[in-house]
Amino acid sequence: DIVMTQSPDSLAVSLGERATINCKSSQSVLDSSKNRNHLAWYQQKPGQPPSLLIYWASTRESGVPDRFSGSGSGTDFTLTISSLQAEDVAVYYCQHYYGIPFAFGPGTKIDI
Amino acid sequence: EVQLVESGGGLVQPGGSLRLSCAASGFTFSNSWMHWVRQAQGKGLMWVSRINIDGTDTTYADSVKGRFTISRDNAKHTQYLQMNSLRVDDTAVYYCARGFYGAFNLWGQGTVVTVSS
Repeated sequence: DIVMTQSPDSLAVSLGERATINCKSSQSVLDSSKNRNHLAWYQQKPGQPPSLLIYWASTRESGVPDRFSGSGSGTDFTLTISSLQAEDVAVYYCQHYYGIPFAFGPGTKIDI
Repeated sequence: EVQLVESGGGLVQPGGSLRLSCAASGFTFSNSWMHWVRQAQGKGLMWVSRINIDGTDTTYADSVKGRFTISRDNAKHTQYLQMNSLRVDDTAVYYCARGFYGAFNLWGQGTVVTVSS
């Protein structure tokens, strides 16, 4: 099974500053035949279900602000919030979908 | 409105059973793979199960295999999770989610399952 890890566990960022979250998979999640990484990012605000931010490692879901971006390939991935807003306070999870069982990282909490 | 609404959670004793439902609206349910994901209080997310568009292909996490059964009724736009032999560590919020190539692009608000004596 592929195991997902994230760093840091938590992060305090000033409003308007950049936030960077790292995600690592225990094996590659790259489908080299289609050159697509089976990696998604989610945001979960307190008391709410998660919502999809990024899929295929770098494709923003419709309606997601462009301050959110995803990058990386193979086993190492990054979620960047270019200019943190107050509404971005949340826990962020990465998830691989490169075969069963799908798995999530442990989450990174972002605070102001 | 595009949404998923879960129901059926509650308090059950260890060894008991519950059946969760997830009603879909606002999109073509019969074209969508569907999943269940759970989250214990204060913890992270765990994928539980998935079902293909016509219900002929189902997959489970090892921790629930043999105890949980996923199913769907496309005529009713509803998916289900039958949970038997429940254990204390099954206690969680259970989310219904729509699959998108294995990512989850629509989530319900969740239903709380508490397994306790």
